[in-house]
Amino acid sequence: DAKTTQPPSMDCAEGRAANLPCNHSTISGNEYVYWYRQIHSQGPQYIIHGLKNNETNEMASLIITEDRKSSTLILPHATLRDTAVYYCIVRANYPYGGATNKLIFGTGTLLAVQP
Amino acid sequence: DTGVSQDPRHKITKRGQNVTFRCDPISEHNRLYWYRQTLGQGPEFLTYFQNEAQLEKSRLLSDRFSAERPKGSFSTLEIQRTEQGDSAMYLCASSTIAGGKTQYFGPGTRLLVL
Repeated sequence: DAKTTQPPSMDCAEGRAANLPCNHSTISGNEYVYWYRQIHSQGPQYIIHGLKNNETNEMASLIITEDRKSSTLILPHATLRDTAVYYCIVRANYPYGGATNKLIFGTGTLLAVQP
Repeated sequence: DTGVSQDPRHKITKRGQNVTFRCDPISEHNRLYWYRQTLGQGPEFLTYFQNEAQLEKSRLLSDRFSAERPKGSFSTLEIQRTEQGDSAMYLCASSTIAGGKTQYFGPGTRLLVL
């Protein structure tokens, strides 16, 4: 399974864009990049995912580099409610080429949005 | 759509006791997952079901752990002879088959083994 590397913590001012980086240099061609977040004492929440094109939804934008070795999650106007641990996940594959649906979480990035 | 629900939300038990947790997935979600999360760590996969079939189990799921989904709807996770190391948050998630990469999580059951 491809591993991901994220900074342990980041700060962001309320109302500004939060840019959360993720490195996944060993990603395979058919592996997707997923982002989830976990607000304190709640279950994780799906944010967005992508393969190689940039993606945008109502919550965030995902920018994936051309070589797919890294990505950035962008929260365009961070609010205090965006304070959470953000997980970048590369979807696991079975060794023999099939796909498994389990998610492999790292320790994520704790984003603290400051007033 | 009321989301994924889990019961109980909190459980305190003594070492050696058995505990059972319940998860009700989003209706019509065929896939159901169990994860465990300890303090300061991300969730770790335990097992998942497609309908009533248990398709994958992690090495973390020792023989003291058993999960069922008898009618393909709700699921139970039982831990027998609990140990202090079982103290954790137990999370349940569900998804459709087509949207299996996108999982919807419940609020979790926090277990404390004394």
